[in-house]
Amino acid sequence: DTEVTQTPKHLVMGMTNKKSLKCEQHMGHRAMYWYKQKAKKPPELMFVYSYEKLSINESVPSRFSPECPNSSLLNLHLHALQPEDSALYLCASSHHLSAQDEAFFGQGTRLTVV
Amino acid sequence: GDSVTQMEGPVTLSEEAFLTINCTYTATGYPSLFWYVQYPGEGLQLLLKATKADDKGSNKGFEATYRKETTSFHLEKGSVQVSDSAVYFCALSEPGANNLFFGTGTRLTVIP
Repeated sequence: DTEVTQTPKHLVMGMTNKKSLKCEQHMGHRAMYWYKQKAKKPPELMFVYSYEKLSINESVPSRFSPECPNSSLLNLHLHALQPEDSALYLCASSHHLSAQDEAFFGQGTRLTVV
Repeated sequence: GDSVTQMEGPVTLSEEAFLTINCTYTATGYPSLFWYVQYPGEGLQLLLKATKADDKGSNKGFEATYRKETTSFHLEKGSVQVSDSAVYFCALSEPGANNLFFGTGTRLTVIP
């Protein structure tokens, strides 16, 4: 199994809603990542978890709250989002937090905030 | 700081044409270099990588060589196919962290 699975694929939410994005991998990877990708732009790093501990938070607003309940799962909890938060949210994983390790990406959740 | 500069797109080629997408980088250490491809509506897939100077990464007919002297990692393919139409991202990762820095992406369209 060499896949990173993200659910849901599409999500439309209002600015007062609370929702969660989910990411799962069964490759035994110990580093997991959330990226945000706006249309026609490169992915931008949001969070990095290493061995289930938050390693990097790229100054992301608190309305985005990551959670890593175990080594296979990574969640992103969303609350009080703004329309400008609409984007493709990509999850990725790698063996370890190492420059040489390939990052495997999921297909993403396309989020629309209305 | 680290950065990746990629050739502006979009690039439109006829099938079987030769492809070059330029990528240069700035890094404080000795980074690993990657090319990722994103097909329409999908996430990113690793196309190839190189982890040290003079390494050549190759996959599916694509090649790129890590050139430390010119800080470049240009992507090439001798004969493109319609199925190669996608957005290509050059990226780097510094030792000690797998924080990928991406270039702006180059959209390639191959026409029959």
